[in-house]
Amino acid sequence: KAGVTQTPRYLIKTRGQQVTLSCSPISGHRSVSWYQQTPGQGLQFLFEYFSETQRNKGNFPGRFSGRQFSNSRSEMNVSTLELGDSALYLCASTAWGSLGYTFGSGTRLTVV
Amino acid sequence: QKEVEQDPGPLSVPEGAIVSLNCTYSNSAFQYFMWYRQYSRKGPELLMYTYSSGNKEDGRFTAQVDKSSKYISLFIRDSQPSDSATYLCAMSPIYNQGGKLIFGQGTELSVKP
Repeated sequence: KAGVTQTPRYLIKTRGQQVTLSCSPISGHRSVSWYQQTPGQGLQFLFEYFSETQRNKGNFPGRFSGRQFSNSRSEMNVSTLELGDSALYLCASTAWGSLGYTFGSGTRLTVV
Repeated sequence: QKEVEQDPGPLSVPEGAIVSLNCTYSNSAFQYFMWYRQYSRKGPELLMYTYSSGNKEDGRFTAQVDKSSKYISLFIRDSQPSDSATYLCAMSPIYNQGGKLIFGQGTELSVKP
């Protein structure tokens, strides 16, 4: 059974640019959550999608957005990148009614 | 003050030791408690989750929840070098509603051969 796949694994972007990260959940999982992980703040919740609808959103600026497609794959977009956006971005998926969130290996974003 | 507090360590123990990892929380609405293990350059891996106060055992791992004290623990018996990783506690107030987990900072554990 394939796990959660995140692409790309590494990204280097310049301040002011925008970036799109992709997440393919485990087959059958319709809930996809995104987290930002930094040494200072730890893991922080960005947003969650279920059946193409955003159900919950964390305390991040509007530069952070996401979407989910009908096949449950999800993307997150960060516009006007800032140095402070450098982080590991993690995606997690789960089946409805389960607490078993499975995380991907993440996308390491570096903003220079 | 953060909703979930976890000592970041690092914690270094000899192989075979019993390891105790702890988190405290302030939000009494938290009902579900999880422990994740994260190896370097990997995403977190779910170890255990529990709902009620008390103990839950899975092999060498025991999760303990004390809701009255707002305190959770993870015990690792007969620790192995392969247990060296960062351990994260996570909590949720509502069962699988909106996917939001609140994580502790993580405790870095090193088990020396």
